[in-house]
Amino acid sequence: EAGVTQFPSHSVIEKGQTVTLRCDPISGHDNLYWYRRVMGKEIKFLLHFVKESKQDESGMPNNRFLAERTGGTYSTLKVQPAELEDSGVYFCASSHGGETEAFFGQGTRLTVV
Amino acid sequence: DQQVKQNSPSLSVQEGRISILNCDYTNSMFDYFLWYKKYPAEGPTFLISISSIKDKNEDGRFTVFLNKSAKHLSLHIVPSQPGDSAVYFCAAQNTDKLIFGTGTRLQVFP
Repeated sequence: EAGVTQFPSHSVIEKGQTVTLRCDPISGHDNLYWYRRVMGKEIKFLLHFVKESKQDESGMPNNRFLAERTGGTYSTLKVQPAELEDSGVYFCASSHGGETEAFFGQGTRLTVV
Repeated sequence: DQQVKQNSPSLSVQEGRISILNCDYTNSMFDYFLWYKKYPAEGPTFLISISSIKDKNEDGRFTVFLNKSAKHLSLHIVPSQPGDSAVYFCAAQNTDKLIFGTGTRLQVFP
């Protein structure tokens, strides 16, 4: 069974540009989460999808961040326009409904210069 | 305002000995606690968890202890192996999401 897959693994963009991160969860997992780790700090929750619906987006930093999960399969996280403080590692995770354990992808390292 | 704290950024332990990683939390409403292990350039991997109604959970070399009155949990690894060298994150479940600590880097040396 394939794990959670994220693309790209690295992205370097200039301030003001747009970047789109993609996450393919484990097949059959209704729950999909986005997290972010900035500069060696804690891993912070961004938002939670249940199928295609946003269950909780309380961790989204501001309206420059837009997450979608059309069809309840893969998800994208777009940052537009990117700022320097958006640099960090973005993790996607997925889980079965009702299960606590979430499986994480390898992350996308975003560097905004 | 960090709800989950790992006050030791690093820990160094000799192979074969016990590793003890600590975690403190502030919210008594957390109902589940998890430990994740992370290698460089990889995502966190689930290690072990404990429900708030229990005080101990064991899985092979890994044991998690929960002290609710002190709002403290710890992960014991016995015996420690070089392959255990990684960053360990403590996490607490709050409704639908996990709240992580800042991690402790464990190094197991021969």
